Amino acid sequence: AQSVTQLDSQVPVFEEAPVELRCNYSSSVSVYLFWYVQYPNQGLQLLLKYLSGSTLVKGINGFEAEFNKSQTSFHLRKPSVHISDTAEYFCAVYTSGTYKYIFGTGTRLKVLA
Amino acid sequence: DTAVSQTPKYLVTQMGNDKSIKCEQNLGHDTMYWYKQDSKKFLKIMFSYNNKELIINETVPNRFSPKSPDKAHLNLHINSLELGDSAVYFCASSAGPVETQYFGPGTRLLVL
Repeated sequence: AQSVTQLDSQVPVFEEAPVELRCNYSSSVSVYLFWYVQYPNQGLQLLLKYLSGSTLVKGINGFEAEFNKSQTSFHLRKPSVHISDTAEYFCAVYTSGTYKYIFGTGTRLKVLA
Repeated sequence: DTAVSQTPKYLVTQMGNDKSIKCEQNLGHDTMYWYKQDSKKFLKIMFSYNNKELIINETVPNRFSPKSPDKAHLNLHINSLELGDSAVYFCASSAGPVETQYFGPGTRLLVL
């Protein structure tokens, strides 16, 4: 069975500091990986996704993630965060051949001034 | 232009009542979803429809019944509401299984 683990429920970081949000997945078949962001009282929106090709994926708002198949990880990074990046971040996995997305439990990023 | 819209935005009701949440997308997508997000922000898929056909029903109680009158709409009807149904319900759509999902603003349901 597929699963997604986001080890950090909350990550506080100072403005302009770098951040990494961790995501690990388990699956016995090919997967596609996504990061979504949820701002307060809003729906989710896509930050970036990995389908195939280069393992380093760049997304919106300066975020990037690296797919590591051997470590079954898809960590999200940003070199310098802004106050406006404060939000909930969700990692998700889609298994080929299904219409089923599994979301992680989310990581709350809080950027401090 | 709202890509995915949901109504109502807030819903407060008594236990045992029946309620519906409507979802519409104007993106021309073939696939639509319903998710439930609990108070701890855990997001779980409930249903997935592709071209008006049910693809996934994730062990959701029979009290929940999705209906897709056309590809642009996926409504959620809930019978005999229970306290545990209190959550935020999100509708989403995508052009296909691995394509970007576009989420609606959510419907905040509170069952008293």
